[in-house]
Amino acid sequence: DVKVTQSSRYLVKRTGEKVFLECVQDMDHENMFWYRQDPGLGLRLIYFSYDVKMKEKGDIPEGYSVSREKKERFSLILESASTNQTSMYLCASSPVWSRYEQYFGPGTRLTVT
Amino acid sequence: AQSVSQHNHHVILSEAASLELGCNYSYGGTVNLFWYVQYPGQHLQLLLKYFSGDPLVKGIKGFEAEFIKSKFSFNLRKPSVQWSDTAEYFCAVTPTTSGTYKYIFGTGTRLKVLA
Repeated sequence: DVKVTQSSRYLVKRTGEKVFLECVQDMDHENMFWYRQDPGLGLRLIYFSYDVKMKEKGDIPEGYSVSREKKERFSLILESASTNQTSMYLCASSPVWSRYEQYFGPGTRLTVT
Repeated sequence: AQSVSQHNHHVILSEAASLELGCNYSYGGTVNLFWYVQYPGQHLQLLLKYFSGDPLVKGIKGFEAEFIKSKFSFNLRKPSVQWSDTAEYFCAVTPTTSGTYKYIFGTGTRLKVLA
C-alpha cells in the first residue's frame, strides 16, 4: 500500500510564526502536491513538484513556499502565518506512470491564532 | 477557466435509498475524471476513475459513475446506500492535454445516511 504521511495531525501556531508542514511518501513517487481544504471550497492546489528541487505554483501559492530536497519528502512553509491560513492541509503523491492518480495523506489541521 | 461543479452540497438519505451525486465540469478538451471519498476522520481515497473506454465505470463499495461527454457530466451512483457511506464526496477532473498534473476539484458533497 502507498503510504503518505504528514508530520502532524493537529498544529496550533501564532500569527507571524514560521510554520513547516512535512510530507513523506514511501513509494518512490515522482509527483507531490500540497492542497488546502476548506468547507465549501473543496481542495485548492497550493504547490506541486514533479521532481526533486522542481516546483510549480498551484492556484493559491501566495503566503506559501515549498521545498523538495529529497524525492520522498515535500515540505510546505508558511513564512509568516496568518489567521486566514487556518485550514486543513493535505499532501498527495502520484507516480509518473499513472500520472493522474493521486494518493493522499491524512491531513494536518492548522490553527493560527 | 476550468471548473468542476457539484450542485448538491449536503445530501441526507435513509439506508437502502438510492444515491446520485451530480458532477459537471467545464473544459472543452479530453479529460480524466475521478471521484474521491473522505470518510470521517480518514484521508481522501479514490472511489473510481475514468480515463477512456466504457463510460460506465465501477468502483469500490458498489459505487459506479457514468461519463456523459455531451453533458460534461460524471455523476456518481449507488443503488442502495448504507450508514457506512456517510462521508464527503469529491469529483475531480484533469485535462489530458494540460501538460501538468493538476487536478481540479469540486467543492464536495457531504452525504449523511440515516440508519
